[in-house]
Amino acid sequence: DAGITQSPRHKVTETGTPVTLRCHQTENHRYMYWYRQDPGHGLRLIHYSYGVKDTDKGEVSDGYSVSRSKTEDFLLTLESATSSQTSVYFCAATEAEESDTQYFGPGTRLTVL
Amino acid sequence: AQSVSQHNHHVILSEAASLELGCNYSYGGTVNLFWYVQYPGQHLQLLLKYFSGDPLVKGIKGFEAEFIKSKFSFNLRKPSVQWSDTAEYFCAVSSYGNNRLAFGKGNQVVVIP
Repeated sequence: DAGITQSPRHKVTETGTPVTLRCHQTENHRYMYWYRQDPGHGLRLIHYSYGVKDTDKGEVSDGYSVSRSKTEDFLLTLESATSSQTSVYFCAATEAEESDTQYFGPGTRLTVL
Repeated sequence: AQSVSQHNHHVILSEAASLELGCNYSYGGTVNLFWYVQYPGQHLQLLLKYFSGDPLVKGIKGFEAEFIKSKFSFNLRKPSVQWSDTAEYFCAVSSYGNNRLAFGKGNQVVVIP
């Protein structure tokens, strides 16, 4: 499973506070992704990275930013959390962009009150 | 952008019954197709995938899927389910040349002992 860990695993925060979620992988995969999972919506791509310092937006990127200063770490930041960002966040990684399997982390359950 | 449709979001069936989950996608070009499974409280795991070749793909735990290009479909099947197959199943599609996955909304499958 590409040795993907996420931290924290659970977080409760208040509206308006900044939140950073961390994804760490041990397999040196080049590509990393952040998804959110919501009932009735499946998984939706927030941002992705195709290398250190190279990131791009997914379909639901508003209100989120990312950073990747090292191959192994991909950070997702909610600059000012809102209740609509209450969700389960999954990180994924893969080696090749084309025709390759994405491996997922265990998820972070975020609640914004 | 890709869109993926999964029908019958909630499926309840008894052990030993057959399971078929439908997946249709919108893109007319070359695609890569995946089925992921999420057991209760766990992260997503790859069940099977299709990139090219034989359109009938066999995965783990007795699952298989058939790619029918003319119908833009990639339906998942298992002839005889077990209680341990209780999970949520996601179909995902990526276009040839990139690995940004579009997910369906998922099928929640409950197998009654």
